[in-house]
Amino acid sequence: AQSVTQPDIHITVSEGASLELRCNYSYGATPYLFWYVQSPGQGLQLLLKYFSGDTLVQGIKGFEAEFKRSQSSFNLRKPSVHWSDAAEYSCPEGGSEKLVFGKGTKLTVNP
Amino acid sequence: DAGVIQSPRHEVTEMGQEVTLRCKPISGHNSLFWYRQTMMRGLELLIYFNNNVPIDDSGMPEDRFSAKMPNASFSTLKIQPSEPRDSAVYFCASSLARGDLKGAEAFFGQGTRLTVV
Repeated sequence: AQSVTQPDIHITVSEGASLELRCNYSYGATPYLFWYVQSPGQGLQLLLKYFSGDTLVQGIKGFEAEFKRSQSSFNLRKPSVHWSDAAEYSCPEGGSEKLVFGKGTKLTVNP
Repeated sequence: DAGVIQSPRHEVTEMGQEVTLRCKPISGHNSLFWYRQTMMRGLELLIYFNNNVPIDDSGMPEDRFSAKMPNASFSTLKIQPSEPRDSAVYFCASSLARGDLKGAEAFFGQGTRLTVV
């Protein structure tokens, strides 16, 4: 069965610092991977997705993610974090008709 | 398009009462999902529909929960009777699934925050 793991429940970074959020998947076939962001009191917004092709994917708001099959990972990165990036981040897998979520990572940004 | 519309945004009810959550998917989308979000478990898929037909309801916690999709533009999630442990944020999402249904981007509503006292 497909599953995703986000090892970090909560991460705190300073504004302007670089960011990497970890995501590991467990899916035998080619995974369909997404990153969503959820601001407080809001629904989820798609940042980026990977199905095939170039393993480095660019998304909105300056985010990117790299698919590494050897490590079963799809980590999200941003070179310089803004205070408005404080939110909950999720990396569901969608290779079996439905999105399967992990527990998410809450990002706090210090001024 | 206005996106996925959920109502109400907030619901407070007493234990034992019936609760109905509503969702209007994006026009033209053919898949609809109901998720529940809690601190302990994150986002859990409760049920999803494709072309108004329930495909997988294995995530529905118990018989107190039921979902319907009478047409392509409307779905309901009902809890009867409600219990305090049902308190959570319930999200509806829709997508346009093609072919084998894999990999379709899901668009989420803003959620309904349910509190059962």
